[in-house]
Amino acid sequence: EAGVTQFPSHSVIEKGQTVTLRCDPISGHDNLYWYRRVMGKEIKFLLHFVKESKQDESGMPNNRFLAERTGGTYSTLKVQPAELEDSGVYFCASSQGLSGARTEAFFGQGTRLTVV
Amino acid sequence: SQQGEEDPQALSIQEGENATMNCSYKTSINNLQWYRQNSGRGLVHLILIRSNEREKHSGRLRVTLDTSKKSSSLLITASRAADTASYFCARYQTGANNLFFGTGTRLTVIP
Repeated sequence: EAGVTQFPSHSVIEKGQTVTLRCDPISGHDNLYWYRRVMGKEIKFLLHFVKESKQDESGMPNNRFLAERTGGTYSTLKVQPAELEDSGVYFCASSQGLSGARTEAFFGQGTRLTVV
Repeated sequence: SQQGEEDPQALSIQEGENATMNCSYKTSINNLQWYRQNSGRGLVHLILIRSNEREKHSGRLRVTLDTSKKSSSLLITASRAADTASYFCARYQTGANNLFFGTGTRLTVIP
């Protein structure tokens, strides 16, 4: 069974440019999460999809970030325009179930974003 | 705050020794999970302990949970060089449907 895959693995862009990150969750997982880790700091929650709907986007830092999940399958996270403080590793995770008892999340390898 | 505390921030031990990492949190939880991240790679789920459990084992891993103190610990016994990684605890908080992570503990096992 394929795991959570993220693309690209690395991205270096200039300030002001646009970048789109993609996440393909494990097939059949309704829950999809985006997290971000800025260098040396905690892994912070960004948002959560249940199928194609945004369940919680309270962690999105500002309106330069836009996440979508087409048809409840893969998800994209667009940063436009990118700023220096957006640099970090963006993780995607997916899980089954809606109850708290079954929330083992499977993470992708992450996308390392560097804004210069 | 959603954040918890993990300590130590960094831990260096000799191969064969035991490693203990601690995690404290502030809000009530449904369960607590430990993850490992090898350098440059994704997070790997290690173990999940529910709020009504006090201790759980998986191979060389032992996790304890004390909900009265809002703390958990991860013990890795007979460490190996391959255990070198960052370890994170993640809280699944009551009423929220996502995981809240801390800053992690960087473990180095010296061969």
